[in-house]
Amino acid sequence: EPEVTQTPSHQVTQMGQEVILRCVPISNHLYFYWYRQILGQKVEFLVSFYNNEISEKSEIFDDQFSVERPDGSNFTLKIRSTKLEDSAMYFCASSDTGTDTQYFGPGTRLTVL
Amino acid sequence: GQQLNQSPQSMFIQEGEDVSMNCTSSSIFNTWLWYKQDPGEGPVLLIALYKAGELTSNGRLTAQFGITRKDSFLNISASIPSDVGIYFCAGTSRKGKLIFGQGTELSVKP
Repeated sequence: EPEVTQTPSHQVTQMGQEVILRCVPISNHLYFYWYRQILGQKVEFLVSFYNNEISEKSEIFDDQFSVERPDGSNFTLKIRSTKLEDSAMYFCASSDTGTDTQYFGPGTRLTVL
Repeated sequence: GQQLNQSPQSMFIQEGEDVSMNCTSSSIFNTWLWYKQDPGEGPVLLIALYKAGELTSNGRLTAQFGITRKDSFLNISASIPSDVGIYFCAGTSRKGKLIFGQGTELSVKP
């Protein structure tokens, strides 16, 4: 069964450093998403992406964040200058249509020291 | 903004018991989804609901999308130890983003 994959599974970085989190969505899906989950809290929406542009973004998704689909399979989330409060699990998700079921990857645990 | 209120926050039950959890919102959602999350992993889809009033089953799981599109419940029958985890409801907004509830942490005692 097709699945969303994410790398790395765990990323440790120093405050102020740039990180890139990578995702490979399900191959025939057209809509891509990033979510964040701080330890012990609920999953929060960051950004949605369709047709090579951002469809919607939350207040969390400020100028430090960017997303890109560099080729036909990868979808990346970049944090330009990480802060301590960026430490969280980051989940990528994809769906066939914009209002269809979203399938999640296993997540990348980001730890900012 | 749109919010989902999920209850209960946690449940401690005996193996074999039935479980019920629910979500309510003041907003209407297009789609209602139930996910399960194990520690350190991503949410795994359990049931998706697309129509108001829809009642859907997936094995021992049953979920319904409220007629007003503002609420949903999830029932688990005859719980087993592997049902342990955090269950999240999530609603899809008009633009497609998912709004998650706070989660229900389920503990099952053998």
